[in-house]
Amino acid sequence: GAVVSQHPSWVICKSGTSVKIECRSLDFQATTMFWYRQFPKQSLMLMATSNEGSKATYEQGVEKDKFLINHASLTLSTLTVTSAHPEDSSFYICSARDHQGWYDTEAFFGQGTRLTVV
Amino acid sequence: DAKTTQPPSMDCAEGRAANLPCNHSTISGNEYVYWYRQIHSQGPQYIIHGLKNNETNEMASLIITEDRKSSTLILPHATLRDTAVYYCIVRVASGSRLTFGEGTQLTVNP
Repeated sequence: GAVVSQHPSWVICKSGTSVKIECRSLDFQATTMFWYRQFPKQSLMLMATSNEGSKATYEQGVEKDKFLINHASLTLSTLTVTSAHPEDSSFYICSARDHQGWYDTEAFFGQGTRLTVV
Repeated sequence: DAKTTQPPSMDCAEGRAANLPCNHSTISGNEYVYWYRQIHSQGPQYIIHGLKNNETNEMASLIITEDRKSSTLILPHATLRDTAVYYCIVRVASGSRLTFGEGTQLTVNP
C-alpha cells in the first residue's frame, strides 16, 4: 500500500510551547488528510479533515485555534499544537487518501507521533 | 456512517485461523465494510474492504453475509505478529471520514 510518513515519531515539549507535526504522503498525492488523536487504551478520535488548498474542517469539541492544520501541498499536511499543556499529551496520527472524482483510495496511516507535554 | 459492533477481545492459537466478527445491521446499500488493525503504538494498517461480495487478499479474507448485516474477517494462519486491535468500519466509499469504534483486541497465543 501507499506510504504515509509522520515526523517526529515522538516529541517532548514544555508546557506553553508549540509543537509541529508533519504528515507526508510519499508516493501519492493526498487530496484529503485526516488528523486523529488517541489517548491510552482508547480508540482513535478524528480531530479534523483537511483538503489541499482549503481550510480544515474540525470535529465538534476540537479547538481550531489550538490545533492549527495546514495542508498547503498535495503531499504535506502539518498539525501545530499551540500553547501545549499536559492534557494535550497523546498519540497523534495522520492519514491520507487520494480522492479525485471517480478515483478513490482507502486511507493510509502514518506511524503516529507520541506527544508528551511536561 | 452505520455503527458497528465487535467483541472487545478474542484469543487465537498461533497457526490457527482467526475469525473476527462484526455486526453492522444498519448498513446502507452504498456503504462498504472496511477492516483496519492497529498494532500497539503504531498507526492503523489497512487490511481489506468489500461491498457485498467476499474478498480475499494476501492478508485476509472478508466474508459478508447476504443481507450485509454482518461480516467476518478471517486471518487464515494467525501468527504472533497478528496480535493487534482490529477495527471494523462501515462507510460510504466516497465519504471522507473513518470513524473508529472500540475494535477487537486479538491476542495470538503461542
